Amino acid sequence: DAGVIQSPRHEVTEMGQEVTLRCKPISGHDYLFWYRQTMMRGLELLIYFNNNVPIDDSGMPEDRFSAKMPNASFSTLKIQPSEPRDSAVYFCASSPSFPGQGARTQYFGPGTRLTVL
Amino acid sequence: AQSVSQHNHHVILSEAASLELGCNYSYGGTVNLFWYVQYPGQHLQLLLKYFSGDPLVKGIKGFEAEFIKSKFSFNLRKPSVQWSDTAEYFCAVSPYSGGYQKVTFGTGTKLQVIP
Repeated sequence: DAGVIQSPRHEVTEMGQEVTLRCKPISGHDYLFWYRQTMMRGLELLIYFNNNVPIDDSGMPEDRFSAKMPNASFSTLKIQPSEPRDSAVYFCASSPSFPGQGARTQYFGPGTRLTVL
Repeated sequence: AQSVSQHNHHVILSEAASLELGCNYSYGGTVNLFWYVQYPGQHLQLLLKYFSGDPLVKGIKGFEAEFIKSKFSFNLRKPSVQWSDTAEYFCAVSPYSGGYQKVTFGTGTKLQVIP
């Protein structure tokens, strides 16, 4: 399996621009997570989906952030408009259903390093 | 809601030294516990996990962790570290119940191993 795939790996944009991050989870995984990692705040859960349905978006910082999962193999995290304080590494992770082998273990993608100037 | 504390933010060791990273959690019920590792410039990877049974869990690369329920702890250990163990280590906790429960990560401990 190719693992969780994220694109782009690096994104540099200017303040006010729209940014779209993409994620392809591991095939067969029912759960998908979006995290943000910064030096100041560590690893924060933004939102997670189960069977393509958003379950908990309480970590989404504000209305500028939105996430979708139109099908089991694709999710996007959009920031519009972007601000310098959004600069971070954004990770996508997926997880198989519980119970079962590997349940609740999260498999992380390589991350997208976002820089907003 | 559960929480995780990692008291050591930055640890520096020489090669061959023994390692112990502290992790304490706060939750009144049964939990699942995890240690993840993030090598420089890479994504998080599972190091080991505890779901039930033997509280001493062995993971990859010679790491182990011990779940002490009475102390709400899940400390990570390695008898002899290598330079390649330089990474950031995250402890995580999830309530144990039917269905999915959110995993909460600690703030991480950066380990630097000096050759």
